[in-house]
Amino acid sequence: KNQVEQSPQSLIILEGKNCTLQCNYTVSPFSNLRWYKQDTGRGPVSLTIMTFSENTKSNGRYTATLDADTKQSSLHITASQLSDSASYICVVSRLRAGNMLTFGGGTRLMVKP
Amino acid sequence: NAGVTQTPKFQVLKTGQSMTLQCAQDMNHEYMSWYRQDPGMGLRLIHYSVGAGITDQGEVPNGYNVSRSTTEDFPLRLLSAAPSQTSVYFCASSQHGTSTDTQYFGPGTRLTVL
Repeated sequence: KNQVEQSPQSLIILEGKNCTLQCNYTVSPFSNLRWYKQDTGRGPVSLTIMTFSENTKSNGRYTATLDADTKQSSLHITASQLSDSASYICVVSRLRAGNMLTFGGGTRLMVKP
Repeated sequence: NAGVTQTPKFQVLKTGQSMTLQCAQDMNHEYMSWYRQDPGMGLRLIHYSVGAGITDQGEVPNGYNVSRSTTEDFPLRLLSAAPSQTSVYFCASSQHGTSTDTQYFGPGTRLTVL
């Protein structure tokens, strides 16, 4: 069964600290893996997308890694800011038209001053 | 560009009522889709369209209909609302619907069925 599992479910950190979110997947055949940020009451916004051959990609203070062999990804947030408070969703795309995306349940991050 | 817009933002229905959730995009995207998001669960695909006049079912299509008469619009119809359809609904679009396309999401419609 195609699944995407994220951990932890929720996380509280202090402003300025770093954190790492985890994503494990069993989706096959694998095409790419995306991380989205979803602010409360808003739609998800794409942060990064990585294909099979890429093992790291950065977007400002966000750095995503991918290990396609172990089917794991992580999202590292550096020097957190209050505006980083959101849900972070891992999404894996299959090599198939139409119903391509499998979404994780998300990690809810709260950054406190 | 307004991107992907959805109306209404909030809606309360009684069991058995019907309604249409509106979605529009102004990016000339071929691919449009509808998802529902329930607490603790990932987004699940309801229906999608790869172009005007073409629609197909996603993971959870029962109780919903769609049509795509224009490139811009992709309405989602609830035929006879049930409490199990209480959820947040997101419309999304992408250029061609390929696996590497970036998907752009609308702001969502929060639906409560009593």
